[in-house]
Amino acid sequence: AQTVTQSQPEMSVQEAETVTLSCTYDTSENNYYLFWYKQPPSRQMILVIRQEAYKQQNATENRFSVNFQKAAKSFSLKISDSQLGDTAMYFCAFLEGGGSNYKLTFGKGTLLTVNP
Amino acid sequence: DAGVIQSPRHEVTEMGQEVTLRCKPISGHNSLFWYRQTMMRGLELLIYFNNNVPIDDSGMPEDRFSAKMPNASFSTLKIQPSEPRDSAVYFCASSLRERSGNQFFGPGTRLTVL
Repeated sequence: AQTVTQSQPEMSVQEAETVTLSCTYDTSENNYYLFWYKQPPSRQMILVIRQEAYKQQNATENRFSVNFQKAAKSFSLKISDSQLGDTAMYFCAFLEGGGSNYKLTFGKGTLLTVNP
Repeated sequence: DAGVIQSPRHEVTEMGQEVTLRCKPISGHNSLFWYRQTMMRGLELLIYFNNNVPIDDSGMPEDRFSAKMPNASFSTLKIQPSEPRDSAVYFCASSLRERSGNQFFGPGTRLTVL
């Protein structure tokens, strides 16, 4: 079974600075997808960024980028120019696919606080 | 599109009562997922449907839990009888039936069982 590990339960960063959230996973599959979801205090789960395992290029979405190291099974999220609105719980997630199976496995989350 | 709609947003009930949570997925999405979130266990997948058919219900904790999807635009998660340990936030999510599988989450239902 796939597992997703987020080793940092909590992190904090000053506004405008850069922060990196860690995620490792374990799988025997070769083709899969990885995601970072954000859950602000409003509780809504919001997709931040997605990475296809067959792509070597790291995904980027504005201030959010990932460092995908397939051999090391590592998928970290970098947030540049942190903003107060980035304060949230961040979940790393793994998607196993194939056929009609689309099971998303989440890590335990990292609580990020952006300080003014 | 209004996104995934869940009702109610909050539910407080007494132990032993039946609870029904409702979900309307995004129009055109073929896959629907029910998750439970607690502090202790994080986000857990309870069950998911593809084209209204349950594909994997291995996450459903007990026979007290049941889920249905009678059509492409509606699903329910029922707990009967409810227990205090069922208190959690329950999320519904939907996605297109494609390998990329982006899941769009509803706002969740916060359930409190007294």
